Amino acid sequence: AQSVTQLDSQVPVFEEAPVELRCNYSSSVSVYLFWYVQYPNQGLQLLLKYLSGSTLVKGINGFEAEFNKSQTSFHLRKPSVHISDTAEYFCAVTLVVNTGNQFYFGTGTSLTVIP
Amino acid sequence: KAGVTQTPRYLIKTRGQQVTLSCSPISGHRSVSWYQQTPGQGLQFLFEYFSETQRNKGNFPGRFSGRQFSNSRSEMNVSTLELGDSALYLCASSPVRTGGLYEQYFGPGTRLTVT
Repeated sequence: AQSVTQLDSQVPVFEEAPVELRCNYSSSVSVYLFWYVQYPNQGLQLLLKYLSGSTLVKGINGFEAEFNKSQTSFHLRKPSVHISDTAEYFCAVTLVVNTGNQFYFGTGTSLTVIP
Repeated sequence: KAGVTQTPRYLIKTRGQQVTLSCSPISGHRSVSWYQQTPGQGLQFLFEYFSETQRNKGNFPGRFSGRQFSNSRSEMNVSTLELGDSALYLCASSPVRTGGLYEQYFGPGTRLTVT
């Protein structure tokens, strides 16, 4: 069975401080990993993705994530957050199966940037 | 390219009624997926359509159904609405690549309130 766990439901952080949002997954097969961001009253926007290759992935808005296969983790980081980063962040896992792709999402982490 | 559009954006219905939600994918995208998002359950996969055929289905009752048209536009129908169906319904489209991995691009969602 596949699952995605986001360890923190809420993360408050001061403006210009670094932040890490944690994500762990469980899967018996190879997976592809994504982080999405959702601003209030909007859909999800793709932040970054890990498909293969370098385990350090850079995304939009200064975010990056590191794939750690041994720890089955894909934590999201930003060295200095801005007020505009306040949003809900979702970690997602994709499996490629013969009927198409299957997507599994974590329950989300609410990031609040404090001025 | 225009993004994924969903109509209507907001909807209020009464228990027992039925509702139809519409999704227009990004031009050229042939896969459309639907998700239900609630504070308690997070993002839950409903179903995926590709070339007018349902390819994957989540664990939802038969009251939830969908279809896809030849122009890839998709509709989702919920019959005999229950209070618990109140949620944000998200549509996502994908540029399916044969045998490969594809990303999802989300619409802004339809906020359904059942009273």
